[in-house]
Amino acid sequence: GAVVSQHPSRVICKSGTSVKIECRSLDFQATTMFWYRQFPKQSLMLMATSNEGSKATYEQGVEKDKFLINHASLTLSTLTVTSAHPEDSSFYICSVQQGRSGELFFGEGSRLTVL
Amino acid sequence: LAKTTQPISMDSYEGQEVNITCSHNNIATNDYITWYQQFPSQGPRFIIQGYKTKVTNEVASLFIPADRKSSTLSLPRVSLSDTAVYYCLVGVFLSSGSARQLTFGSGTQLTVLP
Repeated sequence: GAVVSQHPSRVICKSGTSVKIECRSLDFQATTMFWYRQFPKQSLMLMATSNEGSKATYEQGVEKDKFLINHASLTLSTLTVTSAHPEDSSFYICSVQQGRSGELFFGEGSRLTVL
Repeated sequence: LAKTTQPISMDSYEGQEVNITCSHNNIATNDYITWYQQFPSQGPRFIIQGYKTKVTNEVASLFIPADRKSSTLSLPRVSLSDTAVYYCLVGVFLSSGSARQLTFGSGTQLTVLP
C-alpha cells in the first residue's frame, strides 16, 4: 500500500505563530489527500479534502483561513495552522486513498502543542 | 455517508478471541467495509477490508452478513500488544477517479489484560 510520511512529528510553538505540517505520499501519486484532527480520547475528525492543483474542500465548522491547505504536487500536501492558539493543540493526521475500494493509508501524525 | 456504531470499549484476556461488531444500517451498494487499528499518538493502520461474506488475512477475519448492515471483526488469540482503538469505516468506493470522504465513528477501545 501507499506510504505516507508527515513532518514534523511533534511541534511546539508560541501562541500567535503559524505552523506548517507536511504530508508526503512517498510511492503513490495522490490527487487527493485528507486531513484529520484528533483530540485526546476522541475519534478522528475530517477537517478538509486536499485536491492537487485546486482549492481544498473544508468540512463544516473548519475555518479555511485558519487552516490553510496547499496541494501543489501529486506527492505533497501542506497544512498551515495560522495564528495558532492553545485550543488548536491537537494531533493532525493526513491520509491518501488508493485503489478501487478506496483503502486509506495514514501518515504517522503530527502532534501540535501551542503554548 | 453511512454512519457506523460500535461499542465504546471492550476488555479481553490474552489468548482469547475477540469479536467487535459494527452497525452500518445505511451502507450503500458500492461501499466497502474497512477496519483500522490505532495506537496512541500514531496514525490508523489498515487491518482488513471486505464487501460481503467472509474475508480472512494473517491478522484478522471479517464477517459480513448478507444484508451488509453490520460487520464483525474477529481477532484470534489476542495479545497485550493488540490493546488499541479499532475503527470501522464504511463508504470507501472511488467513483470516476474522485475520492470519497470518510467519517470515523467513535471506535472501540480494546483492552487486553494479562
